[in-house]
Amino acid sequence: GAVVSQHPSWVICKSGTSVKIECRSLDFQATTMFWYRQFPKQSLMLMATSNEGSKATYEQGVEKDKFLINHASLTLSTLTVTSAHPEDSSFYICSAKGMGLKNSPLHFGNGTRLTVT
Amino acid sequence: QQQVKQSPQSLIVQKGGISIINCAYENTAFDYFPWYQQFPGKGPALLIAIRPDVSEKKEGRFTISFNKSAKQFSLHIMDSQPGDSATYFCAATSIQGAQKLVFGQGTRLTINP
Repeated sequence: GAVVSQHPSWVICKSGTSVKIECRSLDFQATTMFWYRQFPKQSLMLMATSNEGSKATYEQGVEKDKFLINHASLTLSTLTVTSAHPEDSSFYICSAKGMGLKNSPLHFGNGTRLTVT
Repeated sequence: QQQVKQSPQSLIVQKGGISIINCAYENTAFDYFPWYQQFPGKGPALLIAIRPDVSEKKEGRFTISFNKSAKQFSLHIMDSQPGDSATYFCAATSIQGAQKLVFGQGTRLTINP
């Protein structure tokens, strides 16, 4: 089946630093990738949609200058949390939509736990 | 109009019983309704999904019932097992559109042995 890999699975960083999270589609080409964040015991909230080779589309209330998204190839999208603060601590999850897959079910990565100290 | 409302928030079922989780949506443009299972510290995994042209879909112990007129759909887990203990999310999207998933609030399911 379609596999989406996220790296790292967890990261601890100091306040003010930047952190990059990678999302890769391992066995299919992903035309579109989505980035979500999830706070404990809450649902997934869509942050942004990225299409290969174009600028990401951010959901209302998400700071595009703080959460930089790059989708440079059909198998890789990155999310960079810039100048991280403790309130950015969360579980970040990506999903990928494949080309040509019937109904293109969205496949999720295993998430990245970010802790900002 | 973009919301998907999910209930109950938490559910405890005895082993072997039937677990039922319900969702309701408002946006009639939604035409793809997946259910995801999430274990702690992991990403959501697609369990089963349905399109509005059928009223029921069954895969193993998991069944989705879909009521288009009521704009409701539900997940039934038959013969629930302790390994089914997880958080379940319903979702909805439009296949023709951007396919952004709108998630329900989640149901924490506990199966007692």
